[in-house]
Amino acid sequence: DTGVSQDPRHKITKRGQNVTFRCDPISEHNRLYWYRQTLGQGPEFLTYFQNEAQLEKSRLLSDRFSAERPKGSFSTLEIQRTEQGDSAMYLCASSLAGSWADTQYFGPGTRLTVL
Amino acid sequence: AQTVTQSQPEMSVQEAETVTLSCTYDTSESDYYLFWYKQPPSRQMILVIRQEAYKQQNATENRFSVNFQKAAKSFSLKISDSQLGDAAMYFCAHVPPNYQLIWGAGTKLIIKP
Repeated sequence: DTGVSQDPRHKITKRGQNVTFRCDPISEHNRLYWYRQTLGQGPEFLTYFQNEAQLEKSRLLSDRFSAERPKGSFSTLEIQRTEQGDSAMYLCASSLAGSWADTQYFGPGTRLTVL
Repeated sequence: AQTVTQSQPEMSVQEAETVTLSCTYDTSESDYYLFWYKQPPSRQMILVIRQEAYKQQNATENRFSVNFQKAAKSFSLKISDSQLGDAAMYFCAHVPPNYQLIWGAGTKLIIKP
């Protein structure tokens, strides 16, 4: 069990550019979650997948954000036309559906800075 | 709306002492789960302890234990024999059935050597 991994760990981009982040969940986990976290706050739910199906998206999620999990394994989160307000830590978590309230295990996060 | 409140933005404790972090939540459900996560500076979110609402017995994990008061909707975390490595943001989270984790704003724990 190698845990949840995320790549890159840090990303600096200019406003208006597109960025893509990757998350690799724990291998036997079928659920994968994306969160956004700003300094001093708790995580804010963005979206989650069960296998390859995207089951829920936050109503607060802008159309500039899109996530995929094409083969039910790794996932990507893309932000188009980045804005300074997108600067945050993007967290990925995974869980095994049906196991103890789907306890979520987190990756190290990708810190995005939009200049 | 279902909410989680952590009323202590920051707490400090002397190394080797005991500290309790408070958490209250609001729900109309009778069955749900509660979690404490820890996030050290610049490091990832780690599960500390979890509790099922239908279990009366308070969960314990080594130096970490909870005081779960269902009627009061309170879920406090007690850390015994505090160590320098316990310094972190601590987040309380509540998950109702078929819903997402609802997070508190966090408590920053400072350990004084």
